[in-house]
Amino acid sequence: GAVVSQHPSRVICKSGTSVKIECRSLDFQATTMFWYRQFPKQSLMLMATSNEGSKATYEQGVEKDKFLINHASLTLSTLTVASAHPEDSSFYICSARGTAYEQYFGPGTRLTVT
Amino acid sequence: GENVEQHPSTLSVQEGDSAVIKCTYSDSASNYFPWYKQELGKGPQLIIDIRSNVGEKKDQRIAVTLNKTAKHFSLHITETQPEDSAVYFCAASIQAGTALIFGKGTTLSVSS
Repeated sequence: GAVVSQHPSRVICKSGTSVKIECRSLDFQATTMFWYRQFPKQSLMLMATSNEGSKATYEQGVEKDKFLINHASLTLSTLTVASAHPEDSSFYICSARGTAYEQYFGPGTRLTVT
Repeated sequence: GENVEQHPSTLSVQEGDSAVIKCTYSDSASNYFPWYKQELGKGPQLIIDIRSNVGEKKDQRIAVTLNKTAKHFSLHITETQPEDSAVYFCAASIQAGTALIFGKGTTLSVSS
């Protein structure tokens, strides 16, 4: 149980294009999902908290107009990187909160912007 | 806000030895402390967690201890195996489901 999937696992796009990443909780409902960003050999940095049916809460320094988050259902949250640039290249990981406070992470999406 | 410090950053042990990773946190309101294992190119996997009303929790070769007074918690892995090699992250969160704040990670290498 408690499986979280992400799609795609890897994406390469050209500078200026937008990329959408999906995060799904497969066997449980998640009213809250989180989006993290991880640079090589570094820790996970929280980008935003996504609550089903309401606007996401962004961490300080994260541009909400660039990283668009939509949590339309209890099993799906999406992150859209608008007008991506090379500095947006990173490993993006989502997590879904379980029935208590535990979080289950997806496998991550490697974004490369050329 | 919460700040989580993790030590050591790298740890090398021989197969069969024990490994200990320590974390300290700053916010006394934090009451949930999970540990994650992350293999290269994959998402973090929850391996064990502890809540503030418990001092110790064990699951086979893995154990976590919590000292709320000192605001530190530790991960103990006994009888290490090469497949335990990975990056381990500690984290903390405050009750009411706020986001996890992660330590910087420990790269554990187990040599056979």
